[in-house]
Amino acid sequence: DTGVSQDPRHKITKRGQNVTFRCDPISEHNRLYWYRQTLGQGPEFLTYFQNEAQLEKSRLLSDRFSAERPKGSFSTLEIQRTEQGDSAMYLCASSLGDRDGAQETQYFGPGTRLLVL
Amino acid sequence: GESVGLHLPTLSVQEGDNSIINCAYSNSASDYFIWYKQESGKGPQFIIDIRSNMDKRQGQRVTVLLNKTVKHLSLQIAATQPGDSAVYFCAEKSAWSSASKIIFGSGTRLSIRP
Repeated sequence: DTGVSQDPRHKITKRGQNVTFRCDPISEHNRLYWYRQTLGQGPEFLTYFQNEAQLEKSRLLSDRFSAERPKGSFSTLEIQRTEQGDSAMYLCASSLGDRDGAQETQYFGPGTRLLVL
Repeated sequence: GESVGLHLPTLSVQEGDNSIINCAYSNSASDYFIWYKQESGKGPQFIIDIRSNMDKRQGQRVTVLLNKTVKHLSLQIAATQPGDSAVYFCAEKSAWSSASKIIFGSGTRLSIRP
């Protein structure tokens, strides 16, 4: 399978615990994105990387959230001290970004569904 | 602020008929639009895109129409099949916003009647 993969697919945790999700993008893609999707809504942008550099973070990304892409390939998204409001689907996408970047296609992974009890 | 919305949250179509899903956007600086399909439990799947210098683009069984005058986007699915059942999102990017940020609408759920 050459698409975007995410692990785990489902995560149940207790409030206050830390969780970490992994995303493996399409191999030649230099850009990687994280989105969050709550029930009945469209995905909301959280952050994106070009290679290993994190270039933008949404206001949705509180201090409890941190994302890394250390070698410019896979990425991790960590949520510390989880809250019930963090329950959502966390989606990763990747693209082959050009200099313009405005019209690249983002391909999404299957998502990690997080439930905070 | 930026927003992308949809006229209807649900759409029911007879199998074999054509489906038309509508979307309105408010950012006149938007210059690239994308339609995604999301099946239950899966991530969004790219369907088709269109640039603002075009008003129509066709794919396999799908057509996207863009009317910049009224800031309206539509997705037409020909000969709708049971496998087309999903939530459809329109999304937009602006050359004036970040290079990669996509803004999604809230989606239209398409259901197919046998």
